[in-house]
Amino acid sequence: TQLLEQSPQFLSIQEGENLTVYCNSSSVFSSLQWYRQEPGEGPVLLVTVVTGGEVKKLKRLTFQFGDARKDSSLHITAAQPGDTGLYLCADGSGNTGKLIFGQGTTLQVKP
Amino acid sequence: NAGVMQNPRHLVRRRGQEARLRCSPMKGHSHVYWYRQLPEEGLKFMVYLQKENIIDESGMPKERFSAEFPKEGPSILRIQQVVRGDSAAYFCASSPSGGRVQPQHFGDGTRLSIL
Repeated sequence: TQLLEQSPQFLSIQEGENLTVYCNSSSVFSSLQWYRQEPGEGPVLLVTVVTGGEVKKLKRLTFQFGDARKDSSLHITAAQPGDTGLYLCADGSGNTGKLIFGQGTTLQVKP
Repeated sequence: NAGVMQNPRHLVRRRGQEARLRCSPMKGHSHVYWYRQLPEEGLKFMVYLQKENIIDESGMPKERFSAEFPKEGPSILRIQQVVRGDSAAYFCASSPSGGRVQPQHFGDGTRLSIL
């Protein structure tokens, strides 16, 4: 059974700081996805990456996918309070596409 | 999260009662996934359905839980004889087709509390 481990589990920073969160898999990712979830809401897809070594940017967010497709990082530049939330990585597993999630990184950005 | 509608948003049941959770997928989506989220944890896959068919129920508890996605109407996740451990947030997601690279759109969940 594939296991996704995210670190750190919790992160509290001041507005304007940079941060990086990590996602490591016990096996090769099929299709790595990053989601952000705010309290009381469902996860919202941020990005999907499938190619080893791929880098994608979404405004102040930079997503990197390891060459071996077993790890990924999410870097946020100049964090803002609106970035506060639970960041989840997930793998689209098997032919059905069911998602296997990590336990998430809870990010708090203080004004 | 626009498009995937879940109701009710909050549901309170006493131990032994039945809970019915509904999910209307986005327009044009015929694939539905159900996930469960315990406090401070990620989501755990429960079941994957297409219209009138259960494709993968490997994440469903063997007893008391069932799911359906009829030809007409929403997908239903049914929990019979609820216990305290069933308290969680239940999310459904839909996609236009199955497959590992298809994006899944999530609803805002049903928060089930068992008294």
